[in-house]
Amino acid sequence: AQSVTQLDSHVSVSEGTPVLLRCNYSSSYSPSLFWYVQHPNKGLQLLLKYTSAATLVKGINGFEAEFKKSETSFHLTKPSAHMSDAAEYFCVVRALWAGGTSYGKLTFGQGTILTVHP
Amino acid sequence: DAGVTQSPTHLIKTRGQHVTLRCSPISGHKSVSWYQQVLGQGPQFIFQYYEKEERGRGNFPDRFSARQFPNYSSELNVNALLLGDSALYLCASSLEVRVAEAFFGQGTRLTVV
Repeated sequence: AQSVTQLDSHVSVSEGTPVLLRCNYSSSYSPSLFWYVQHPNKGLQLLLKYTSAATLVKGINGFEAEFKKSETSFHLTKPSAHMSDAAEYFCVVRALWAGGTSYGKLTFGQGTILTVHP
Repeated sequence: DAGVTQSPTHLIKTRGQHVTLRCSPISGHKSVSWYQQVLGQGPQFIFQYYEKEERGRGNFPDRFSARQFPNYSSELNVNALLLGDSALYLCASSLEVRVAEAFFGQGTRLTVV
């Protein structure tokens, strides 16, 4: 079984200040972890992914995330927020191929709405 | 290259009706998954198809069904629509079922009245 908990439903920052969106996960198998962003009335865009390589993952638009197995966390950060970052962000877990059984299912967190003030 | 395309973009149906949603994956991608996103929530997994076979099913009633065609496009069918089926339906494609990275379409906004 796998699950994701996004610890904040809303985060508000000022433009130019750091962003931190928190995510904890649970997975019975070695997970792949992702962050997706969704702008209003749009589909989901992949920001970054962790698939058992480097634990610090860099994504698009200056975002990065660190996989911490001991803390079962995968927090998303950005050094300096931009107005265009305002959107909803989803942390996602997917179990990798394990024991001959494939797990195609992505499990999403409830989402964190990021607001950026001028 | 074209991304994942879904049609229609918006749809309004009446309770009890049937609806068909369509998805074309990225060229070369053989796996298609469907997700339902109710307002204010994260997407929920409905189905995954690979090489025309169902490879995963979420916790949805039998009113929901899907299929994948030889060209890897897919349809999601929902029968006997309920008000609670109103949602954004998202299609995702990936190279194959074991590849973790998925790319999403813009979605179909279904409203049931």
